[in-house]
Formats: sequence, structure tokens, C-alpha cells
Amino acid sequence: DTEVTQTPKHLVMGMTNKKSLKCEQHMGHRAMYWYKQKAKKPPELMFVYSYEKLSINESVPSRFSPECPNSSLLNLHLHALQPEDSALYLCASSQGQGMNNEQFFGPGTRLTVL
Amino acid sequence: GDSVTQMEGPVTLSEEAFLTINCTYTATGYPSLFWYVQYPGEGLQLLLKATKADDKGSNKGFEATYRKETTSFHLEKGSVQVSDSAVYFCALSDRGGTYKYIFGTGTRLKVLA
Repeated sequence: DTEVTQTPKHLVMGMTNKKSLKCEQHMGHRAMYWYKQKAKKPPELMFVYSYEKLSINESVPSRFSPECPNSSLLNLHLHALQPEDSALYLCASSQGQGMNNEQFFGPGTRLTVL
Repeated sequence: GDSVTQMEGPVTLSEEAFLTINCTYTATGYPSLFWYVQYPGEGLQLLLKATKADDKGSNKGFEATYRKETTSFHLEKGSVQVSDSAVYFCALSDRGGTYKYIFGTGTRLKVLA
């Protein structure tokens, strides 16, 4: 299995809602990533987990809260988002957090904040 | 800091034309280099990679060679198809201890039948 899966595919939420994005991989990878991608832009790194511990937080606002319950799962909890947070949220994984380790991306969750 | 510069798009070609998408980088040391492709409405797919100078990555008819002397990793394909229409991202893996990806801005390719 060489896939990274993400659910849901699409999500519409109001500014007062709480929702979660889910990412799963069964490749035995030990590093997992959350990216945010706006239209016609490259992905922007948000968080990195390495061996289930938060390794990098790119100064992301606290309304985004990541969680790594086990080595195969990565969640992104969303609360009190703003319309400008509307974007494609991509999850990725790699064997480890090393220079030669390519990242495998999921299909993304298209988030719209009303 | 490290950076990646890609040619401005969009690039519009006729089917069977030769493709070059330029990518140059600035980095301390010798990063790993990657090309990713993103089809409309999808995530990124790894197209090819190179981990050291003079390495050539290749996949699905696409090629790129890691050129240390010119700090470049240009993507080429001899004969493009309509199905190659997508956005192509060049990226490097930062050696600064975090191994984060640094992405270029992306180049949109449109291939006409």
C-alpha cells in the first residue's frame, strides 16, 4: 500500500464550528506532515511529526491543532477558523525526516470557511 | 536561506513538442532535489528525484539532471501529451537539520491537441 488517504475530500464549515481532518498511511513511514495550499501557490508547511512527536510548527495559529494518535494516523483539529483559512489541506508522509526521504502526498481536503 | 526559482508559467505547447521547465536553486551544501506534479483537484505526486551531483532522475519520459556547477535541475520531456497538462513543482530538501521541503512557485503546463 503506497497511498496516503485523507478524509473528508471536501469540508464546508462556519467560523464557530469545530471540525477535524484525518490522514492515514500504511507504508510504515515515521514522519507525517500537514501543508496548506492556496490556489496557484505551492504548498506551505504547517506541522511535522516525527516518530509521533511534534517536530516542527511553522508558527501556525492555535485555531489549528495537530494530533498524531499513532504512527499511521494524523489529525488536524480546526476551531474558530477565518474565511482566509479556506484552502486545500494536504497531508504527506515520508520514511523519516531525512534529506533523501521523498514525501508522499495525499489527495487533500478542500476546506471552505464561511 | 535556501530557495528554489522556477520559470514563470503558464507554458503552452502543442502535443509532441519538447518540454523544458527551468529550475535553479540556492542552498548551502548539497540538497536533494525533487520534481512533483499536481493534476487539477489532486495532491502532489513525486515525478522524479536526484540526491547528488550529476544524478539523473527519470520517470514516465521526464528527466532532470542535478547540475551542481549551475545549481540547476531542469525538467525535460521529449514529446509531451495532453495528459501531461498539470502544475509542476521543483523542490529541495533543506539540509539545515529540519529537512523541510523548499518549493518553487510552480509552473503550469498546458498541452494542446
